[in-house]
Amino acid sequence: GDSVTQMEGPVTLSEEAFLTINCTYTATGYPSLFWYVQYPGEGLQLLLKATKADDKGSNKGFEATYRKETTSFHLEKGSVQVSDSAVYFCALSMKTSYDKVIFGPGTSLSVIP
Amino acid sequence: NAGVTQTPKFQVLKTGQSMTLQCAQDMNHNSMYWYRQDPGMGLRLIYYSASEGTTDKGEVPNGYNVSRLNKREFSLRLESAAPSQTSVYFCASSQGYGYTFGSGTRLTVV
Repeated sequence: GDSVTQMEGPVTLSEEAFLTINCTYTATGYPSLFWYVQYPGEGLQLLLKATKADDKGSNKGFEATYRKETTSFHLEKGSVQVSDSAVYFCALSMKTSYDKVIFGPGTSLSVIP
Repeated sequence: NAGVTQTPKFQVLKTGQSMTLQCAQDMNHNSMYWYRQDPGMGLRLIYYSASEGTTDKGEVPNGYNVSRLNKREFSLRLESAAPSQTSVYFCASSQGYGYTFGSGTRLTVV
């Protein structure tokens, strides 16, 4: 079945470090791919998305490129801030009778000053 | 602000008690969802409603019921709460790609 795999956390980085969170997926057909972010005590928020191969999603300095050949959608940011501390979820969506979304397990990121 | 509103934010129940979690969205979305989030388990879909008037089971429906009251509202009911239902519950809605989530209800069953 369809699934999403993310790198294990927690990830701890110093402020201004480079961030990569790996995400790979398994899906039949051509899913859309997403990154969601969850700040402490809040619900998930859509961070960025890509709907077809080679698309690059970007928002708030974060980027991810839809790589069909490697079935990946790695999240990157060039310089993290303390305010980026959160849990990041990779997800895929298959259009069926509803917007079926499959979430990865989440990767916790802590950024220290 | 437009979005998904969940009530209550916190609730403590005794085993066997019942309660209804409320969810409303003002974005005119067709589809709505209820998830639970538990440490080490990620997000698990309880029930969803693809459109007004329809509801379907998700991954973990046992012990829950839902009502899609109208296009805006989608409630989740626990008829007889159990400690295993202690969790954070999220409602979400969508129209096309990407979900909008509520801020969650933290439920403790003692």
